[in-house]
Amino acid sequence: NFLLTQPHSVSESPGKTVTISCTRNGGNIASDYVQWYQQRPGSAPRNVIYEDTQRPSGVPDRFSGSIDSSSNSASLTISGLMTEDEADYYCLSFDGANQGVFGGGTRLTVL
Amino acid sequence: QLQLQESDPGLVKPSETLSLTCTVSGGSVISDDYYWAWIRQPPGKGLEWLGTVSYRGTTYYKSSLRSRVTMSVNTSTNQFSLTLTSVTAADTGLYFCARQYTVRGHCSGVTCLRDFDQWGQGNLVTVSS
Repeated sequence: NFLLTQPHSVSESPGKTVTISCTRNGGNIASDYVQWYQQRPGSAPRNVIYEDTQRPSGVPDRFSGSIDSSSNSASLTISGLMTEDEADYYCLSFDGANQGVFGGGTRLTVL
Repeated sequence: QLQLQESDPGLVKPSETLSLTCTVSGGSVISDDYYWAWIRQPPGKGLEWLGTVSYRGTTYYKSSLRSRVTMSVNTSTNQFSLTLTSVTAADTGLYFCARQYTVRGHCSGVTCLRDFDQWGQGNLVTVSS
C-alpha cells in the first residue's frame, strides 16, 4: 500500500494564491490519477479536480491541479482566494493493488 | 437530478453488525459507467474509502476491512448497501455513500475508478454500549 501526506493546515489572504501539496510515499505519483475534494463544515465532500488536472463542470477555473514527479507529489492550487474557499481539502488516489487512499486532509483558512 | 440518501442506523453496540443502505433517486443503480461507494469520516478526522461495488457485483474493499465488510447492490429497490461486522468504537463516524465514475479500457481493477461525483449527506453511526 501507499500513503498520501498533506500539510495539516495552510492559510492565506483573500485574493492571493495558495498551493496544497499531496506527497505519495510508496509508488510513483504519476502512476495513478489523483483527485481532490473540498469539504466545507457540515457538508459532504465535493470533487474539485479529477485525473490529476481536470476540473469538473461548475468548479471555478481558479482551481487547478498538477503533478510533480521530481517530488513525487500532486498539488492543488487555488488562485484569487475567496472566503468561500475556506474548507478542508483532501487528495485521493487508487492504485494497482485495488486500494483507494485519501490524504489526511488540509485545512485552508482564508484570513 | 440524482440524489443519494443513507439510512440511519444510529447506535450500534460493540461486536454487533452495522448495516447501512443508500437509496438512489433520480437515476438507476444499473449502469456500467458508475459504481457505488462508501466513505466514512471519524469525528474530527479525515476521509476513509471503505469500498466500491458495481451493480454486476464487482467489489473492491479496503484491505484492512476485508474480513468484516460486505457491499452489494439491489437493482429491484435501486439501493446499495454496506454491512460491517464485529464493530468497535473505532467504527464510529459519519458514513457517506457516493456514486463513482468508472472508465473502461487501458486500466484494470480500481485504476478504472474515477471521481465520486454525487454524495449522500452522510449519516452518523455511533458504536457504543
